[in-house]
Amino acid sequence: GAVVSQHPSWVICKSGTSVKIECRSLDFQATTMFWYRQFPKQSLMLMATSNEGSKATYEQGVEKDKFLINHASLTLSTLTVTSAHPEDSSFYICSAGGTSGFNEQFFGPGTRLTVL
Amino acid sequence: RKEVEQDPGPFNVPEGATVAFNCTYSNSASQSFFWYRQDCRKEPKLLMSVYSSGNEDGRFTAQLNRASQYISLLIRDSKLSDSATYLCVVNLMDSSYKLIFGSGTRLLVRP
Repeated sequence: GAVVSQHPSWVICKSGTSVKIECRSLDFQATTMFWYRQFPKQSLMLMATSNEGSKATYEQGVEKDKFLINHASLTLSTLTVTSAHPEDSSFYICSAGGTSGFNEQFFGPGTRLTVL
Repeated sequence: RKEVEQDPGPFNVPEGATVAFNCTYSNSASQSFFWYRQDCRKEPKLLMSVYSSGNEDGRFTAQLNRASQYISLLIRDSKLSDSATYLCVVNLMDSSYKLIFGSGTRLLVRP
């Protein structure tokens, strides 16, 4: 299957810090990438759909000014958690694919964010 | 009501046992169905797609009942390595291509 990488794999930061997470599709071009968040013992929740060259589409309840998404190229999308607070501590996972002609979504290994 | 519902478990079974997981979905417009496996602190990985006619992949059998909006996964001859959380996932296959995840069913296979 296709390979999706994420960086960093984990980050610990102080409250008020902004954190950037990168998601890369290594062996295919992804016009669409998805960002998820997963709290302990809960399901993956879609935060936003990232479209190359255009604005991301955010799910209801997700603050677009707090979770900035940039998809500048066909292989890279970034999620920036601005002014992170302890309640933002979570497992953030990106995926690519799953669009027309590419039914399966391939997930990155995730980024574990801990905000102190 | 959740869009995709699963029994959270855990299911604690001995090696070699057969175990079945069930899942229901609320949106009748759902078009594609999947079972993903997620290990602790890891990303989900596709286990198998679920087709209307039912499908089998080795020890794993998936079935879909569209009328009842019900999906199942059967694991035969359980291995220790099958211990994980199994996620039921549906896709509306509309223009958003969004996947909707169930909260997962945890399986523990003991020696």
